[in-house]
Formats: sequence, C-alpha cells, structure tokens
Amino acid sequence: QLQLQESGSGLVKPSQTLSLTCAVSGGSITSGGYSWSWIRQPPGKGLEWMGYIYPSGTTYYNPSLRSRLTLSVDRSKNQFSLSLSSVTAADTAVYYCARDGGGGGPNYFDYWGQGTLVSVSS
Amino acid sequence: DIQMTQFPSTLSASVGDRITITCRASQSVSSWLAWYQQKPGRAPKLLIYKTSNLESGVPSRFSGSGSGTQFTLTISSLQPDDFATYYCQQYNTYSRTFGQGTKVEIK
Repeated sequence: QLQLQESGSGLVKPSQTLSLTCAVSGGSITSGGYSWSWIRQPPGKGLEWMGYIYPSGTTYYNPSLRSRLTLSVDRSKNQFSLSLSSVTAADTAVYYCARDGGGGGPNYFDYWGQGTLVSVSS
Repeated sequence: DIQMTQFPSTLSASVGDRITITCRASQSVSSWLAWYQQKPGRAPKLLIYKTSNLESGVPSRFSGSGSGTQFTLTISSLQPDDFATYYCQQYNTYSRTFGQGTKVEIK
C-alpha cells in the first residue's frame, strides 16, 4: 500500500521560506509514469492545488504561486519537496502531498499524505 | 483557471436519506471531474473519478453523473460514516481546481 508522509518546518516567519518534504513508501515514485503534487488547505477553508513534479524533474505550477514556488525530487530517497518563498500569514495552511492518479496529464489525486500544518507567524 | 462552484454549501440530512450535491464548472471540463470526502483533521479521500467511476473500496451508495459544466454526487442512503465535507475537482486543465466544499451534517 502506497503511503505518503509530509515533514518539515511547522512554524515559519513572514518573508522566509517554507520547506516541506514528502517521503513515499510502499512503491517507487519513478514507476507508473505518475506525477506528484502538493495541495494546501488554509484552516477552515477549501483546497488549493499548488503544483506537480514528475520524477524526471518536470514541473507545473499553479500560476498564482509560480513566482514563489519550487518543487524538486530526490529519486534516490524516493521523495519530493516543496519550497515556498516570501511567505505571509495567507500561506498558513495544512499542506498535503498527493499522487496524481491515472498516470500522465492532469489528473485526480488517489493517494494523499496525512497533511502537515504550517503556520506563518513572527 | 476554471472555477468550480458547489451547492449547497451545507446540507442537513438524516441517516437513510438520499442526498445530491451539485458541482458547476465555469467552462466545460468534459468528464474530467472527481469527488472527494474529507473528515475533520483528515486528508481528503478519493470517491469518484472521471465523473462516475467509483474508486476501489468506495461503497456503491455513492454515485456520480454529469458532463460538461454540471455534475452531481449522490449518496443513495446516507450512513453515519458519510457525514463529512465533499469536494469536487476538475482535471480538464493542468491547473486543477476544487469546489469550495459541501458539508453534510446531521439533521
């Protein structure tokens, strides 16, 4: 059974960079042609897709975050990462990593991590 | 971005009720529509993909229909475990977007 687990800083100061990693177990991120996404959810609000990355390193970002977001992948560690710069209080959210199901192209999300809360505060 | 609008925002129902949640897209998404269930403090769980395909392990009381810009999620007989928030999500474009959610609460 595929499992995803987010880890990283739970508290970030305004204007700094938020960094998270998603470790994948129970399967390789390089098999099946899947891409891997980050999705966030501000407290009490809805879901926002942030971007995806293929194991090759190909990325696609939500245009609203493109200037601040960087995704990367470490195939040797079977994990992928998120870096969001110049954060503000509006970036406070639960951050989820997820697998893009179905393989190839825009897709739904069939496996999710449990989520990690990141708060932006001085 | 394609905007997804769900209604109602909140739905009060009883165990055994048949309920329907509607999701409308600002432009056609063909059949590229998924539904998720989320409970407090938990990650969303995929229920349905490509409008009407039930994810493995999802009870058959859940069903989806629609095409283009209007879609529905139906629960044929609401069970205690179904009280949660439901989200639709389009994947017609690379910039995927979600509806704002429909909370199903106990009447």
